[in-house]
Amino acid sequence: SQKIEQNSEALNIQEGKTATLTCNYTNYSPAYLQWYRQDPGRGPVFLLLIRENEKEKRKERLKVTFDTTLKQSLFHITASQPADSATYLCALEGNAGNMLTFGGGTRLMVKP
Amino acid sequence: DVKVTQSSRYLVKRTGEKVFLECVQDMDHENMFWYRQDPGLGLRLIYFSYDVKMKEKGDIPEGYSVSREKKERFSLILESASTNQTSMYLCASSTRLAGGYNEQFFGPGTRLTVL
Repeated sequence: SQKIEQNSEALNIQEGKTATLTCNYTNYSPAYLQWYRQDPGRGPVFLLLIRENEKEKRKERLKVTFDTTLKQSLFHITASQPADSATYLCALEGNAGNMLTFGGGTRLMVKP
Repeated sequence: DVKVTQSSRYLVKRTGEKVFLECVQDMDHENMFWYRQDPGLGLRLIYFSYDVKMKEKGDIPEGYSVSREKKERFSLILESASTNQTSMYLCASSTRLAGGYNEQFFGPGTRLTVL
C-alpha cells in the first residue's frame, strides 16, 4: 500500500543549528514533492516544491533534496530560529493529478 | 495574495444535526479540496472538486457530501453529524496548470465539535 512517513516524534534543536526533517514514501512515483509549514490552529502554508528531475532546491535558509531512488526527501533549515518552530508536512502528487497526499508531519521545536 | 476563507473558526453541533461548512477562494482557482486533520492521522482528503458541479471522492468521503455551484465556493455537508466527525476541517484551493505542479492554498480551518 502507499505510504508517506515523517518522523512523528518532535525534533528539538538549539537555535543556530541546522534542522533536518525526513520524508520517506513507498509505492509512489511522484513527479514532484512539496513541503508545507503549519502553525498550531492554522492551515498549512506552502514552502517549496521539488520536481523528480531536481536533486536539490534552495530558498533562503531552506534546502530540500529529493532522491527518487531512495524514495526520500530531506528538508533542511539552516541557522534555525525559534520562529521556525512549527509542524512541517511533506506532500506527494496523488493518483489523480492535482491531488496531494500529505505525510503526518514532524513538529520542530527550536530552543533559544 | 490568494485568500481562502472558511465560514467559521469554531463550531459546536449536536449529534444528528446537518452541518454546512463553507469555503470561499478569491483567486479563480479551478481546484478546491476539503480535508480533515486529526492528531496522529495527519491531513486526510475528504472530497475534491476540479470544476463547478464536479466532485471526486477522496480517501474518507463516508458521512460527507459536497457542493460546488460557483467556482469560488465549495461547501462540505455533514448530513447527520456524529461524534467521530469532531475534527479540524481545512479547505484548500489550487490552480490547474499544465503538469499539475500546483501548490495548495489553505484556509484557516474550522474546528468542529459534535456533542
